[in-house]
Amino acid sequence: NAGVTQTPKFRILKIGQSMTLQCTQDMNHNYMYWYRQDPGMGLKLIYYSVGAGITDKGEVPNGYNVSRSTTEDFPLRLELAAPSQTSVYFCASSPHSGGATDTQYFGPGTRLTVL
Amino acid sequence: EDQVTQSPEALRLQEGESSSLNCSYTVSGLRGLFWYRQDPGKGPEFLFTLYSAGEEKEKERLKATLTKKESFLHITAPKPEDSATYLCAVQELIKAAGNKLTFGGGTRVLVKP
Repeated sequence: NAGVTQTPKFRILKIGQSMTLQCTQDMNHNYMYWYRQDPGMGLKLIYYSVGAGITDKGEVPNGYNVSRSTTEDFPLRLELAAPSQTSVYFCASSPHSGGATDTQYFGPGTRLTVL
Repeated sequence: EDQVTQSPEALRLQEGESSSLNCSYTVSGLRGLFWYRQDPGKGPEFLFTLYSAGEEKEKERLKATLTKKESFLHITAPKPEDSATYLCAVQELIKAAGNKLTFGGGTRVLVKP
């Protein structure tokens, strides 16, 4: 299993440009998440999804959009990029057993710079 | 509002010098507390989950413990390869939908040979 994969690894955007960060998992996990991590800070939840066709906002959703058309893929869309969106973005997935807490597994991250 | 605070922010250790990292949390009801390790340029890697006060878990030189208000990650006789940022995260009972986590700021550990 590849686990959680993210593309691209690095990207530089100009202010006002748009882009999509790709995330794919091959573990058949129901739940998927997008986080951002700013230097020296912990992870902040942007959006999450509990299954195909179902998404919800996290702590810092402004400026982002998501969709979940399949179990495997959870792309994050940035519209009108701003310098405040310069960050490292992590995608994660977790199973949902319906019982005990389920662990989130993370991808390698996408480092985005907006100039 | 959930709050997770990790201390210290950074820790420099000599190889073999044991130490502890702290994660204090404020939640209405704890569903689970997670520890992750993050190497530079990589995604967080899962270490432990603790569910109730008094619980302990071990992996190699790492041991995690949990009380009602905080968790400790003890590093015994660390080696340079233990250098990383250690992240703590909590999952609150009332926010269990989606298994959402609230992360602390992390502790950067550097172990010198």
